[in-house]
Amino acid sequence: ETVLTQSPGTLSLSPGERATLSCRASQSVSSSYLAWYQQKPGQAPRLLIYGTSTRATGIPDRFSGSGSGTDFTLTISRLEPEDFAVYCCQQYGSSPWTFGQGTKVEIK
Amino acid sequence: QVQLQESGPGLVKPSGTLSLTCAVSGGSISSTNWWSWVRQPPGKGLEWIGEIYHSGSINYNPSLKSRVTISLDKSKNQFSLKLSSVTAADTAVYFCARRGYPGPFDIWGQGTMVTVAS
Repeated sequence: ETVLTQSPGTLSLSPGERATLSCRASQSVSSSYLAWYQQKPGQAPRLLIYGTSTRATGIPDRFSGSGSGTDFTLTISRLEPEDFAVYCCQQYGSSPWTFGQGTKVEIK
Repeated sequence: QVQLQESGPGLVKPSGTLSLTCAVSGGSISSTNWWSWVRQPPGKGLEWIGEIYHSGSINYNPSLKSRVTISLDKSKNQFSLKLSSVTAADTAVYFCARRGYPGPFDIWGQGTMVTVAS
């Protein structure tokens, strides 16, 4: 099983600042099959990024993903008020599909 | 567009069986997608439970495989989850989700909270 470890656990930032979230895999993620989701309280996860760097439909370009192998990054270039939420990574390169534990982006 | 909606009891007794159904609307369950169940214990991360394809192929998370059954009803355009021998550790929000192949979970149901308690 591929274990995904996200850091930091919590990121305290102000609107307009840049957010950089990390996701590290215990083994190489096949074909860069790494996705990022945003989750707000009481809601289902929302797909942001798949294939490491491809934005899902309707996702603004302030969200970007990068990385390869075992190290992946989600960057939010300028935080908008609606971006404060929990973000988690997920690999779909090898079953069982696994998720990171999440990074909470909170208002400073 | 495709929408998913979970339904089922919100309370299950310990040692009992948790049963949930996910209704698919706006699209066919026979499309080229996998239909999955994912759960999230209160305050914790997401855990993939398993998935089914319209051909009948099924994948389960090894950590739950001995207790999980996922099935599909094409006539009703829905799929179901059964989790047996439940304990308090199975208390969670249960989501159904669609996954392309290969692909991430691109469409999710709203989730349903299931509590295991006597």
